[in-house]
Amino acid sequence: GAVVSQHPSRVICKSGTSVKIECRSLDFQATTMFWYRQFPKQSLMLMATSNEGSKATYEQGVEKDKFLINHASLTLSTLTVTSAHPEDSSFYICSAKRSDSSYNSPLHFGNGTRLTVT
Amino acid sequence: GENVEQHPSTLSVQEGDSAVIKCTYSDSASNYFPWYKQELGKGPQLIIDIRSNVGEKKDQRIAVTLNKTAKHFSLHITETQPEDSAVYFCAPGGGYNKLIFGAGTRLAVHP
Repeated sequence: GAVVSQHPSRVICKSGTSVKIECRSLDFQATTMFWYRQFPKQSLMLMATSNEGSKATYEQGVEKDKFLINHASLTLSTLTVTSAHPEDSSFYICSAKRSDSSYNSPLHFGNGTRLTVT
Repeated sequence: GENVEQHPSTLSVQEGDSAVIKCTYSDSASNYFPWYKQELGKGPQLIIDIRSNVGEKKDQRIAVTLNKTAKHFSLHITETQPEDSAVYFCAPGGGYNKLIFGAGTRLAVHP
């Protein structure tokens, strides 16, 4: 159990356009989801915490108007990269925490989305 | 916030040898200590975790040990196999309901 599906796995877009990435928990409910960004051969950098039915909490230095997060249901969070530029090219990974889990407990990760902005 | 340091950054072992990766953290409120394995092009997968009320946990060839006083925990892999080759991350859970990842350790197991 605890499967997280992330879509698309790869996307190429032109500079100035917007891209939406979906993160779904398939067999559990997730009140909280997290969005990470990963550059090649580097660690995962937390971008924001997404809470169902409320506004996302962004980490310092992450532009909330650039990276729009919506968590409208207990099984779906979306990340929209608006007006994408080549420097936004990266590997974006979502993770979800079971709604019935304790404060600090395992995160279940999607397989990531590789975004390339040309 | 939490400062996490992970050592070594790269580790190369022969098949059958043991591998140990250490993670040091700064937040004394941390009470959850997981290790994740990330294979190329995939998201991280939890391989083992431990909570602060336990000093050691083992699952077949994998174990985690915790020294809360010194604020570090370690991943131990015994009888390594080529399929253990991956990047391993520690991600101690502090008092903010989020995990902060270490820089990662690239493990290569040579046949």
